[in-house]
Amino acid sequence: AQSVAQPEDQVNVAEGNPLTVKCTYSVSGNPYLFWYVQYPNRGLQFLLKYITGDNLVKGSYGFEAEFNKSQTSFHLKKPSALVSDSALYFCAVRDTGRRALTFGSGTRLQVQP
Amino acid sequence: DTEVTQTPKHLVMGMTNKKSLKCEQHMGHRAMYWYKQKAKKPPELMFVYSYEKLSINESVPSRFSPECPNSSLLNLHLHALQPEDSALYLCASSQGGLAATDTQYFGPGTRLTVL
Repeated sequence: AQSVAQPEDQVNVAEGNPLTVKCTYSVSGNPYLFWYVQYPNRGLQFLLKYITGDNLVKGSYGFEAEFNKSQTSFHLKKPSALVSDSALYFCAVRDTGRRALTFGSGTRLQVQP
Repeated sequence: DTEVTQTPKHLVMGMTNKKSLKCEQHMGHRAMYWYKQKAKKPPELMFVYSYEKLSINESVPSRFSPECPNSSLLNLHLHALQPEDSALYLCASSQGGLAATDTQYFGPGTRLTVL
């Protein structure tokens, strides 16, 4: 069975500082990893995904994520946080054995001005 | 264009009502999904359609009935719902035949309240 863990319910960071939102995963086959962001009362917006290749994936709005196979992690990063980045972030995994996404519990990012 | 649209945005219904949620995409995607999301929780998969055929039903109660009339449209018919069914219902679509690498694009959701 596949699973995703987001160990932090909330991450607080000051505007202009780097941010990291953590995600670890467990799958039986090759992992395909996704990050989504959700603003209040809205749907999920796709940020980036890891399929294969370069371990550093660049996505929308200046976000990037680092895939680490040995640590089974896929942490989301941004060099300089904006107040407008404040939202709920979901990590998700899909492997070839299961056709649906499995989401983590979500991490609320709060960027203070 | 990666837009998935959903109507209505909000819906309030009684437990004896029948209503429908609608989802539409014009990206040529052949897989469409219904998710249910409770407050401060991750989305939970309900149904998946691939090439207009129901591919996955995550043991959803029969008071929820999905329909995929064509490759662009996905409906969710609601009947005799319970208050605990109140949630944000999200529709998503992805390009092909449920390939694990395909990105799912989500609509803005329908906020459902069952009285």
